[in-house]
Amino acid sequence: AQKVTQAQTEISVVEKEDVTLDCVYETRDTTYYLFWYKQPPSGELVFLIRRNSFDEQNEISGRYSWNFQKSTSSFNFTITASQVVDSAVYFCALSGVPGYALNFGKGTSLLVTP
Amino acid sequence: NAGVTQTPKFQVLKTGQSMTLQCAQDMNHEYMSWYRQDPGMGLRLIHYSVGAGITDQGEVPNGYNVSRSTTEDFPLRLLSAAPSQTSVYFCASRVSSGTGNTGELFFGEGSRLTVL
Repeated sequence: AQKVTQAQTEISVVEKEDVTLDCVYETRDTTYYLFWYKQPPSGELVFLIRRNSFDEQNEISGRYSWNFQKSTSSFNFTITASQVVDSAVYFCALSGVPGYALNFGKGTSLLVTP
Repeated sequence: NAGVTQTPKFQVLKTGQSMTLQCAQDMNHEYMSWYRQDPGMGLRLIHYSVGAGITDQGEVPNGYNVSRSTTEDFPLRLLSAAPSQTSVYFCASRVSSGTGNTGELFFGEGSRLTVL
């Protein structure tokens, strides 16, 4: 069975602080896919990134970066110099086939205050 | 390009009533799915379909029924609504497996259902 754990339920930071959202996963599949989605207060779900299990390169996109470590089964997400617009619920998710039967974590609610 | 369209956006039901949440996508996606989102529970998969005529159960299928007669539509039916089905429901679709499949699920805007 696949499982995604986001141990941080809520995080509150002050603008311009760096923040890391943790994601730990469990799977017996040798090939799997990890995702991060953002859900702003407006409620829609926004795709941020997909990472394949055979590609452990970290990725950076502007202020966002992702650290994938198979050795610790973690796929952490860091926001550098956080902004108020980053306030949202962030979900980590896992699947055995890209997007197929995606298993979501319970989400981390991030609040960035001015 | 409308993407994934869900209707209605809000609905209030009484216990025992039935209703259908509609989901339509115009991206020719073969895979479609329904999730429910409850506070502190994340998103849980209800049913999914890998193509017209093919459906399967997800993590929490009880009390829900689906069918897939066309590629575009994937309605979710509540047979006899219960207060435990009060939730926000999301429909999502993606391209089929193969070249160019980033795995990205495209989500609808959600349907908020309250069962009294």
